[in-house]
Amino acid sequence: SAVISQKPSRDICQRGTSLTIQCQVDSQVTMMFWYRQQPGQSLTLIATANQGSEATYESGFVIDKFPISRPNLTFSTLTVSNMSPEDSSIYLCSVEAGTNTGELFFGEGSRLTVL
Amino acid sequence: GDSVTQMEGPVTLSEEAFLTINCTYTATGYPSLFWYVQYPGEGLQLLLKATKADDKGSNKGFEATYRKETTSFHLEKGSVQVSDSAVYFCALSGPLHGQNFVFGPGTRLSVLP
Repeated sequence: SAVISQKPSRDICQRGTSLTIQCQVDSQVTMMFWYRQQPGQSLTLIATANQGSEATYESGFVIDKFPISRPNLTFSTLTVSNMSPEDSSIYLCSVEAGTNTGELFFGEGSRLTVL
Repeated sequence: GDSVTQMEGPVTLSEEAFLTINCTYTATGYPSLFWYVQYPGEGLQLLLKATKADDKGSNKGFEATYRKETTSFHLEKGSVQVSDSAVYFCALSGPLHGQNFVFGPGTRLSVLP
């Protein structure tokens, strides 16, 4: 299993500001995934972060809005830029368990509220 | 593209009642199927999984069987407890490493004492 720590666990932000979410994993992993869970809705994949290369973004998400860093095999950050109330969501970091297991471990999430 | 459909919630049951949460999927190839659970204030955690047709995943009294002929993976529990109150997500992933996971919309379950 993998233990994933996210910071901050929650925050209240002002419109137009940016916030960086940190994700730390207790083991080395190839890929880290960032998801968004809007209020009352399911999870949507934002991007996949590989160490040493640019993140791969899903349709509807762009690097300027959600820049991602992946400096090593245990750490990643997601920045939510120029926030608006529509960005109020839970942001979740996850990693795959093992290789080709198809199973994800999740952090506890970062709940952002944008006023 | 791949998709997952779940029964709409919320579902409210009395303790010791029988639970079924329906899940059907659309996918190319042979995906793996999962149920994840999200307890209040927590992140998602894997409840059970099945990787091929006719496999049955089970954990904590919950069961689900991978039915290829009906493209379904319904979650069942014979006797729910108050502590089972949570949001349940059906999900699938492709057979390739790192292939995109697709989550259903989630079903909120409330179990009353």
